Amino acid sequence: QKEVEQNSGPLSVPEGAIASLNCTYSDRGSQSFFWYRQYSGKSPELIMSIYSNGDKEDGRFTAQLNKASQYVSLLIRDSQPSDSATYLCAVNGGSQGNLIFGKGTKLSVKP
Amino acid sequence: DTEVTQTPKHLVMGMTNKKSLKCEQHMGHRAMYWYKQKAKKPPELMFVYSYEKLSINESVPSRFSPECPNSSLLNLHLHALQPEDSALYLCASSPGQRGTEAFFGQGTRLTVV
Repeated sequence: QKEVEQNSGPLSVPEGAIASLNCTYSDRGSQSFFWYRQYSGKSPELIMSIYSNGDKEDGRFTAQLNKASQYVSLLIRDSQPSDSATYLCAVNGGSQGNLIFGKGTKLSVKP
Repeated sequence: DTEVTQTPKHLVMGMTNKKSLKCEQHMGHRAMYWYKQKAKKPPELMFVYSYEKLSINESVPSRFSPECPNSSLLNLHLHALQPEDSALYLCASSPGQRGTEAFFGQGTRLTVV
């Protein structure tokens, strides 16, 4: 059974700080990793994908992947109140592109 | 354009009703998915269609019946649902190859009364 683990939080950071979200996965053969942002009552929105070890940056977001440790993280720099949401870590679950999600980390950015 | 469109946005139905959820994408994606999401839980996979053929059914009760009329459309037919089936139903699509990004529609909030 493939599993994805996240700290459910809530994680509270002050505005302007760096928010660090972490995720581990059980299947060493996993190749593709995604971060989705989900506002309350809305659908998940893809914000980052990462496939290779190392860092990938997109604006204020940086995804980090360490396959040896089976660890994925998302850093949000200069956090804004609008970043307050649940962040879902997802791993590609099979050849059909279906996703296995972690339980999500709720982030709260305080003004 | 990474848009997946779902209708309706909200649906209230009785336990004896029959209704359908619809999903449409025009990104040329060959895989489409139905997920179910309960409050404060992650999305759970229900069905996968790959090249218009059902490829994964995650042991979903028969009161949920998926249909893929063509490569752009995905339906979920609902019949004799239970109150515990109330949830956010999410459609997603992806190019279909292993490891590619999936994009979600805005979801249908279903309430069964």
